[in-house]
Amino acid sequence: SQQGEEDPQALSIQEGENATMNCSYKTSINNLQWYRQNSGRGLVHLILIRSNEREKHSGRLRVTLDTSKKSSSLLITASRAADTASYFCATVLDNYGQNFVFGPGTRLSVLP
Amino acid sequence: GAVVSQHPSRVICKSGTSVKIECRSLDFQATTMFWYRQFPKQSLMLMATSNEGSKATYEQGVEKDKFLINHASLTLSTLTVTSAHPEDSSFYICSARDRRWPQGHEQYFGPGTRLTVT
Repeated sequence: SQQGEEDPQALSIQEGENATMNCSYKTSINNLQWYRQNSGRGLVHLILIRSNEREKHSGRLRVTLDTSKKSSSLLITASRAADTASYFCATVLDNYGQNFVFGPGTRLSVLP
Repeated sequence: GAVVSQHPSRVICKSGTSVKIECRSLDFQATTMFWYRQFPKQSLMLMATSNEGSKATYEQGVEKDKFLINHASLTLSTLTVTSAHPEDSSFYICSARDRRWPQGHEQYFGPGTRLTVT
């Protein structure tokens, strides 16, 4: 089974609402990263959180990491229609970033 | 900074032919590049890791003779899908890691190449 698994698989919200996506993983990690992918396009790196960090912020994004529960969450506040995309977590298992495993993703739809 | 390009962005080819996809790091040097495959509405699956000047490391289940990878320089890796079949139709994405940040850093992703085999 996959290392990272996002939950929910699909999420539909109204503009202005907050969106929370969760990612669970199975083994120890070096860091965890969140990416966004617009339909049919490449991935855009959003944020990286290291295993010794618990929370990071970047603009309207807030990421938490709980290594004891092997889970991470991505919160997008005050969502906009432009946030509509698929969001993936990727776990990096070693110090050299060679083992980079993506979860199945959450498809977020923000309705105007 | 940290731009990765892929060419072509879309390609349609006939069954049995070979297709080459290029991945370039435009403003940084990448000792390591990665090739992923993504089916519709699914996640990225790592196919192979490409190190400059050495043979690529393929993930289990990926045929190295079918998916030829060449990483001839610090800014260019190519993926050649040989004798393509309709089941090879997919979205292929490359990524690169800046050689200045070797440890656990983010990967920079290309925009992807949509391959359709008819």
